[in-house]
Amino acid sequence: GAGVSQTPSNKVTEKGKYVELRCDPISGHTALYWYRQSLGQGPEFLIYFQGTGAADDSGLPNDRFFAVRPEGSVSTLKIQRTERGDSAMYLCASSYSRDSAIEELFFGEGSRLTVL
Amino acid sequence: AQKITQTQPGMFVQEKEAVTLDCTYDTSDPSYGLFWYKQPSSGEMIFLIYQGSYDQQNATEGRYSLNFQKARKSANLVISASQLGDSAMYFCAMRERGSQGNLIFGKGTKLSVKP
Repeated sequence: GAGVSQTPSNKVTEKGKYVELRCDPISGHTALYWYRQSLGQGPEFLIYFQGTGAADDSGLPNDRFFAVRPEGSVSTLKIQRTERGDSAMYLCASSYSRDSAIEELFFGEGSRLTVL
Repeated sequence: AQKITQTQPGMFVQEKEAVTLDCTYDTSDPSYGLFWYKQPSSGEMIFLIYQGSYDQQNATEGRYSLNFQKARKSANLVISASQLGDSAMYFCAMRERGSQGNLIFGKGTKLSVKP
């Protein structure tokens, strides 16, 4: 497909487990973003990649959260020792570049994480 | 201080009528962009409309228009001729040129269109 693809769409895990969420951005988009959306809230920024490097990871809540984008395309958000408070929708977005306030972000359908 | 404020947690509108969703923002960056996204129950964020801080005219996209009042720092979304499919969460967002380009979202407004 031509849009941002996120897998899995739903993930249920137990407290303390490790989770990986995958994002496949639109082809040619150099900028990739991860957001977290809790129920009833707007998306909150986690991390932003320009190419392979994390240009801004200031939104990651703690060191249990980590993200990579080794080849500048697909990105994986990794959560270690999951906690119940990590339960949320994790949204990935991409854009052609970040070097403009105009560029809209194209979002995937999200990965809903539930930690029991 | 909140960067994006949406004061209406929920709104109702009759089908075929117009509705205005409020958004105010706070920034000291002279260059910024304002966005509205729609999020249906499926979860995907759908881009609706964009307004740049230097744009002289209000943005319009089909049934969507943005009432941009720069001095008041407001960017209200107007949906004309509401349809049942417009029922969704609506988020206002801002992107500052001086930041890394991240979108900052408001808490959203849930719009319900009544038949």
